[in-house]
Amino acid sequence: EVQLVESGGGLVQPGGSLRLSCAASGFTFTGNWMSWVRQAPGKGLEWVANINQDGSEKYYVDSMKGRLIISRDNAVNSLFLQMNSLTAEDTAVYYCARWGHYLIDYWGQGTLVTVSS
Amino acid sequence: QSALTQPPSASGSPGQSVTISCTGTSSDIGGYNYVAWYQQHPGKAPKLMIYEVSKRPSGVPDRFSGSKSGNTASLTVSGLQAEDEADYYCGSYAGGNIHWVFGGGTKLTVL
Repeated sequence: EVQLVESGGGLVQPGGSLRLSCAASGFTFTGNWMSWVRQAPGKGLEWVANINQDGSEKYYVDSMKGRLIISRDNAVNSLFLQMNSLTAEDTAVYYCARWGHYLIDYWGQGTLVTVSS
Repeated sequence: QSALTQPPSASGSPGQSVTISCTGTSSDIGGYNYVAWYQQHPGKAPKLMIYEVSKRPSGVPDRFSGSKSGNTASLTVSGLQAEDEADYYCGSYAGGNIHWVFGGGTKLTVL
């Protein structure tokens, strides 16, 4: 069974940074691209970033480009998202997701990031 | 503003059918047969219901079906049941540096 468990969310002040983590299990982690998707309170889903199997290719949503770094550690089946210069508009639940064959097929339960002073 | 356009709401009575549309462009829906639909209940993570336009993952009832014509994809839920009440999001592969785009979501109410 595919399991994705996020951690690292919380309250951060505007301009601050946060690093999210995702522990993956139940599938061959090195066989899949991975994704981060976010959902602001009461709003829709927004794809945030993708990373390929060995971490050599990374793609980001334009609205956050330059403030994000997606990475992975295949030795411990983990995905990460470093977020910098956070603003109130970045307040959202951040989901770790598995990228299947040209789609997002499995999701974690999400971790809430709140940007507020 | 979402890249794909969905109606904000849809509704139907138990047993009826309802169709939700999702309109994109030739750069996403119209350009690829990689359209997916997700169901999200309040406070829960999204769940994949349809992939590659019309395929159902194992365990998804055959009451859920998908189709596509040009730049518009559709999700049809037949024989509506109370548990189908949820938010539904479409998504499409968009290629290039964007990879994936979502619709704004449709709240399905079972009357």
